[in-house]
Amino acid sequence: EPEVTQTPSHQVTQMGQEVILRCVPISNHLYFYWYRQILGQKVEFLVSFYNNEISEKSEIFDDQFSVERPDGSNFTLKIRSTKLEDSAMYFCASSEQQDAQHFGDGTRLSIL
Amino acid sequence: GENVEQHPSTLSVQEGDSAVIKCTYSDSASNYFPWYKQELGKRPQLIIDIRSNVGEKKDQRIAVTLNKTAKHFSLHITETQPEDSAVYFCAALLGNQFYFGTGTSLTVIP
Repeated sequence: EPEVTQTPSHQVTQMGQEVILRCVPISNHLYFYWYRQILGQKVEFLVSFYNNEISEKSEIFDDQFSVERPDGSNFTLKIRSTKLEDSAMYFCASSEQQDAQHFGDGTRLSIL
Repeated sequence: GENVEQHPSTLSVQEGDSAVIKCTYSDSASNYFPWYKQELGKRPQLIIDIRSNVGEKKDQRIAVTLNKTAKHFSLHITETQPEDSAVYFCAALLGNQFYFGTGTSLTVIP
């Protein structure tokens, strides 16, 4: 069964540095998403992406964040000037239509 | 935006009993409601979903019911097994954004 893959599985970064989290969605999927989950809390929507542009973003997704689909397979989340509170698990998800999402295994981001 | 509330936050049941988790939503325009199971340290996995034009959907031991008038939907797990132990999240799709509930930690006691 095809899967969403995310790299790296764990990223440790100094506060103030930039990080790029990478995702390879399932190949025939058209909708892409990034979510954040702080330890022990609920999954929080960050952004949805369709047809090479952001279709919706949450209040969390401020100017510090950006997404890109640099080629036909990768979908990246960039966090500029990281803060301690950015420490969380970041999940990428994709779907064929705007319904059943398949999640990746996540990237655990630790800001020191 | 949408506000999704989920109850209970924790639930313990004896193996073989049924478990019911409920979610309410605030915006009647929400039209798709998935349920996810998340085991410790793992990805959320879709276990069942329902669209707003359907009242009930069943898949073996798992069922979801939707009451559009009351704006609530529920997950029903029958004949629970220890491997059902996990955190369950409901969600609602409004526009292009998914809104998640706060999760229910289900423990099935052997």
